[in-house]
Amino acid sequence: SQTIHQWPATLVQPVGSPLSLECTVEGTSNPNLYWYRQAAGRGLQLLFYSVGIGQISSEVPQNLSASRPQDRQFILSSKKLLLSDSGFYLCACGIFSYEQYFGPGTRLTVT
Amino acid sequence: GENVEQHPSTLSVQEGDSAVIKCTYSDSASNYFPWYKQELGKGPQLIIDIRSNVGEKKDQRIAVTLNKTAKHFSLHITETQPEDSAVYFCAASRGQAGTALIFGKGTTLSVSS
Repeated sequence: SQTIHQWPATLVQPVGSPLSLECTVEGTSNPNLYWYRQAAGRGLQLLFYSVGIGQISSEVPQNLSASRPQDRQFILSSKKLLLSDSGFYLCACGIFSYEQYFGPGTRLTVT
Repeated sequence: GENVEQHPSTLSVQEGDSAVIKCTYSDSASNYFPWYKQELGKGPQLIIDIRSNVGEKKDQRIAVTLNKTAKHFSLHITETQPEDSAVYFCAASRGQAGTALIFGKGTTLSVSS
């Protein structure tokens, strides 16, 4: 079965600083990869998904971007963080068309 | 687009009681309905799912029912235990590669002993 790694686990960054969150997947090849954000007390919002290397689809236009440089690596970035970027960022992996499995998440606090 | 409503937002039960969480969806083309359990500070864990060609699915103390005509599906937990306490999310999707899961806002379940 697949294992999803995310790092860092927690991050505190000042407003205006850059961001790079990394997600890697073990135990499978050519997965569908997703970035979700979860604000406090709210549901999960899809930010980006990727069906292959270099293929990124954005669901919500905002201050973030995503890249997939390798088959099992998915990166979430920002050039300048905003206070509203604070939240719990989750990477998910889909092997087939249906199921999605989530990583442990990164807690981002923008101060 | 798809919209998923989830109720109740909080649910408190005594250990051993049953808990029911209900969701409705708007997109009639949705055909995959998973449920996730999220413990504090962790990523959501897939606990059960159902596809549109099935009306009910059980896995030990957990069951999910689907009514496609009414566009609603429910999670049933029987004989609840304190370790069932968590936030539960329902979701819906069209089940195609790269398709997003649209989540409900979650239900915080508290099981007291």
